[in-house]
Amino acid sequence: SQQGEEDPQALSIQEGENATMNCSYKTSINNLQWYRQNSGRGLVHLILIRSNEREKHSGRLRVTLDTSKKSSSLLITASRAADTASYFCARQKVTGRRALTFGSGTRLQVQP
Amino acid sequence: EAEVAQSPRYKITEKSQAVAFWCDPISGHATLYWYRQILGQGPELLVQFQDESVVDDSQLPKDRFSAERLKGVDSTLKIQPAELGDSAMYLCASSSGALEYEQYFGPGTRLTVT
Repeated sequence: SQQGEEDPQALSIQEGENATMNCSYKTSINNLQWYRQNSGRGLVHLILIRSNEREKHSGRLRVTLDTSKKSSSLLITASRAADTASYFCARQKVTGRRALTFGSGTRLQVQP
Repeated sequence: EAEVAQSPRYKITEKSQAVAFWCDPISGHATLYWYRQILGQGPELLVQFQDESVVDDSQLPKDRFSAERLKGVDSTLKIQPAELGDSAMYLCASSSGALEYEQYFGPGTRLTVT
């Protein structure tokens, strides 16, 4: 079973607008990672944020982490049609099973 | 740029038949993962290898699924017998290590069981 939720499940915006996706989780984490998946393809790693970090940037991506609320958000600024994809957050636990646990994803559609 | 290779890309099989998937990770990556992704959901881990050893197969349905990584390089995932509910995308990923490392995914094998 998958832990946590991603919100919204689907998002449709116009090119140039910003897109925000949220991820909540239930257990303590070592780090949280965001991945992108184009239709029918493998996943591509976007960014990793550690549990002691609050914000991280990479190009047009901004990720925040609030461990007190067990939530993270991914912001894509100035979106492009090529950003159309599914976005997944993946949590790595602190102890025990260290493999990533993925959410169900947000399907982003950027209209040209 | 180094990539994770998977084959076949698509597989259609009848239920009760055997099916096998192959994965070649990025050279030098000690950790290899097999995930199953049902349409509309995120990937779920089936098995994790560190070199040739299984470190986590708690979610692998061992009555029908098996996985091996004999020389600690490429890996094979087998299903026998296949069931209708096994229809999914099977993704292989690799990483430099098991802790705090990003995972590199292959293109996946889309399995359809009829």
